[in-house]
Amino acid sequence: EDQVTQSPEALRLQEGESSSLNCSYTVSGLRGLFWYRQDPGKGPEFLFTLYSAGEEKEKERLKATLTKKESFLHITAPKPEDSATYLCAVQPVYNFNKFYFGSGTKLNVKP
Amino acid sequence: NAGVTQTPKFRVLKTGQSMTLLCAQDMNHEYMYWYRQDPGMGLRLIHYSVGEGTTAKGEVPDGYNVSRLKKQNFLLGLESAAPSQTSVYFCASSPTSGRALAKNIQYFGAGTRLSVL
Repeated sequence: EDQVTQSPEALRLQEGESSSLNCSYTVSGLRGLFWYRQDPGKGPEFLFTLYSAGEEKEKERLKATLTKKESFLHITAPKPEDSATYLCAVQPVYNFNKFYFGSGTKLNVKP
Repeated sequence: NAGVTQTPKFRVLKTGQSMTLLCAQDMNHEYMYWYRQDPGMGLRLIHYSVGEGTTAKGEVPDGYNVSRLKKQNFLLGLESAAPSQTSVYFCASSPTSGRALAKNIQYFGAGTRLSVL
């Protein structure tokens, strides 16, 4: 069964305190792994797509990495505006229109 | 450029009532999706459409129907609402060309919060 597990469920950081979020997945052939950011009361907003093990993508203070079984979202020197829920999703090769999402990690960065 | 617009934003229904959620996108995207988001369970795909006049079942389709009569609109219907359908519903769309296609980006609406009493 295809599934995505994210950890931790919630993470509190002080401003400037770097950390990583984990996304573990099992899927019958991975086409793509995605990271989205979701602010309260809003829809998810795209951050990154990763397609193959070893691939890395960066955007400001965020860097996403991918292995054959998991992905990490590294947050370097976070700011309060990075506070949000971060969602991970996988897209299987057998159906490009099916995306399986994890339940997210709620990040709170305190000043 | 509005992107993906969902109406209504909030709704309260009684068990057994019916309603339709509307999703409209102005980006000329071929693919559209309906998800529900429940606490601790993440987004789950209800139905999706790969083009005007086509629909397909997702992960949790029971109790819902959809229609895609126009390319820009994707409707989600609840014929007889149940308390288990209390959730936040998100619509998304994605393109079939351009750089966004290469990244498989989905563009989401702001959601509809539905309570079934």
